[in-house]
Amino acid sequence: DAEITQSPRHKITETGRQVTLACHQTWNHNNMFWYRQDLGHGLRLIHYSYGVHDTNKGEVSDGYSVSRSNTEDLPLTLESAASSQTSVYFCASSDTGVVNTEAFFGQGTRLTVV
Amino acid sequence: QKEVEQNSGPLSVPEGAIASLNCTYSDRVSQSFFWYRQYSGKSPELIMSIYSNGDKEDGRFTAQLNKASQYVSLLIRDSQPSDSATYLCAVNRAAGIQGAQKLVFGQGTRLTINP
Repeated sequence: DAEITQSPRHKITETGRQVTLACHQTWNHNNMFWYRQDLGHGLRLIHYSYGVHDTNKGEVSDGYSVSRSNTEDLPLTLESAASSQTSVYFCASSDTGVVNTEAFFGQGTRLTVV
Repeated sequence: QKEVEQNSGPLSVPEGAIASLNCTYSDRVSQSFFWYRQYSGKSPELIMSIYSNGDKEDGRFTAQLNKASQYVSLLIRDSQPSDSATYLCAVNRAAGIQGAQKLVFGQGTRLTINP
């Protein structure tokens, strides 16, 4: 069955370190998204991609970067982790061609910056 | 102004009653609208989608869309304790590139169904 997986599921890192969160989908979806979820804020869009080599900034992109070298993967990098980036991160993907398609979510990554 | 706004709650409803969740959005070019349910510690899961003005019913759930008022709602009839979760409203916009989408969420409404 097609799926979307995130790794690691839990990560503790120190302030200032570079951290990369992985997202891999086997749906062959062109649209991929990264969100962070904090209490009271719902899901906030960090970055999104419409296809290979395409990346776009969301509403909370400062301190984060993504790259899309193939259809299946959209890794999220925290260049220099800060305590404010402690959060739960969700990756999602959706199909193209039809605007009204469902987005499928990974299991989430809980990141703690100490 | 946030692109998608919801009342964060919490909303408490007795078992068997109707739960009503509301959402407004700011961008008039928004094309499709979704309601996701998220249990604590889990990923969001889609429960309803709606694209045209009016009502759409699926079992105990009814989504309502009014594009003129930029308003989306979700009604849950005969509420059950298992409906207790956070409900996220999401708005999808085409982004110029064919098939590209930008999916933006509200802050979510926490719903509790009391037995």
